[in-house]
Amino acid sequence: GQSLEQPSEVTAVEGAIVQINCTYQTSGFYGLSWYQQHDGGAPTFLSYNALDGLEETGRFSSFLSRSDSYGYLLLQELQMKDSASYFCAVRGWNSGGYQKVTFGTGTKLQVIP
Amino acid sequence: KAGVTQTPRYLIKTRGQQVTLSCSPISGHRSVSWYQQTPGQGLQFLFEYFSETQRNKGNFPGRFSGRQFSNSRSEMNVSTLELGDSALYLCASSERPGEREQFFGPGTRLTVL
Repeated sequence: GQSLEQPSEVTAVEGAIVQINCTYQTSGFYGLSWYQQHDGGAPTFLSYNALDGLEETGRFSSFLSRSDSYGYLLLQELQMKDSASYFCAVRGWNSGGYQKVTFGTGTKLQVIP
Repeated sequence: KAGVTQTPRYLIKTRGQQVTLSCSPISGHRSVSWYQQTPGQGLQFLFEYFSETQRNKGNFPGRFSGRQFSNSRSEMNVSTLELGDSALYLCASSERPGEREQFFGPGTRLTVL
């Protein structure tokens, strides 16, 4: 099966840097994705890592270590609009040989002035 | 391109009734996944369809079912509704299974009384 763990809540100050961690267990691994969801909104894709290392997209970066089954999302120069829930999602495969995506329970980020 | 659309956006039902939710993916996307989202539980995977075939299924009772049509539109049905089925039901589309990014619709908010 597949499971993910991430902190439930994180608070950070505007302009600062925050790191949201995600550890996972999966049978088979294709990649780790990150999604952002504002209250009342739909999740939107932020980043994807299939290989070890850091992927940078503007203020957001995502890191993956496959040997440690661990990844993180790094948000720099925090803005108030970054207050949202962040989900990591692992893509693995099921017993039927098809790819399957499992989401974590999400980390609610509150950015304070 | 138009985004993923879901209808209806809001629905109120009573216990024991059944409900059908609809999802129209982005044009050209043939893979549709369904998720249930409740507070504190994150996004729970329901099922995934590709080319009218169910490719993956989550750990939900048989009361939850789905199908996909030849135009890639998908429906999910929940029979014999229970109070615990109250949730936001999200669908997500991608060109094919295994894509790094899924595009989510706005969701259908189902309330069971």
